Amino acid sequence: AQSVTQPDIHITVSEGASLELRCNYSYGATPYLFWYVQSPGQGLQLLLKYFSGDTLVQGIKGFEAEFKRSQSSFNLRKPSVHWSDAAEYFCAVGLYGNKLVFGAGTILRVKS
Amino acid sequence: EADIYQTPRYLVIGTGKKITLECSQTMGHDKMYWYQQDPGMELHLIHYSYGVNSTEKGDLSSESTVSRIRTEHFPLTLESARPSHTSQYLCASSPETGLNTEAFFGQGTRLTVV
Repeated sequence: AQSVTQPDIHITVSEGASLELRCNYSYGATPYLFWYVQSPGQGLQLLLKYFSGDTLVQGIKGFEAEFKRSQSSFNLRKPSVHWSDAAEYFCAVGLYGNKLVFGAGTILRVKS
Repeated sequence: EADIYQTPRYLVIGTGKKITLECSQTMGHDKMYWYQQDPGMELHLIHYSYGVNSTEKGDLSSESTVSRIRTEHFPLTLESARPSHTSQYLCASSPETGLNTEAFFGQGTRLTVV
């Protein structure tokens, strides 16, 4: 069965520091991969998506993610974190019919 | 910006009450979804619809029901709420075309059954 694992429940980084959020997936076919962000009291907003082609994808708010098929990973990165990036981040794999299978999420805390 | 709306945002209700969570989108999307999200847990798909008069159960079993009488509207109903239904419910929609399209999410309804 398809699954998404986000190993880190919480991550705390200092403002201005770099960030990497891990995501591993289990899926038999070519995956369609997404990263969403959820701020407190808000719905999910799409940060970026990967379908094919260049394995390094750029998203909004300065985020990027790299698809590594050999590692079944799709880690999210940002070179310099801002306090406004504090939120919960969800990795997801897309299935037929635009259904999504989500990871459990990683809560990002940013300390000044 | 996505135009998908959920009401109410927060709801506290007693056990045994019937409730309906509303979800509307103005984007003309055929596909709509309901996800359930417990704190610290994955979002789980509980219902989806591919168009008017189409509804299917998702991966996570749910006692709720849904209807899709109009394209823009996808309400979720609990006939008799129980404390185990306490959760956040997120509605989403996506365009018809292709697998590689994103889902747009509403802000969610946080339901507490006491």
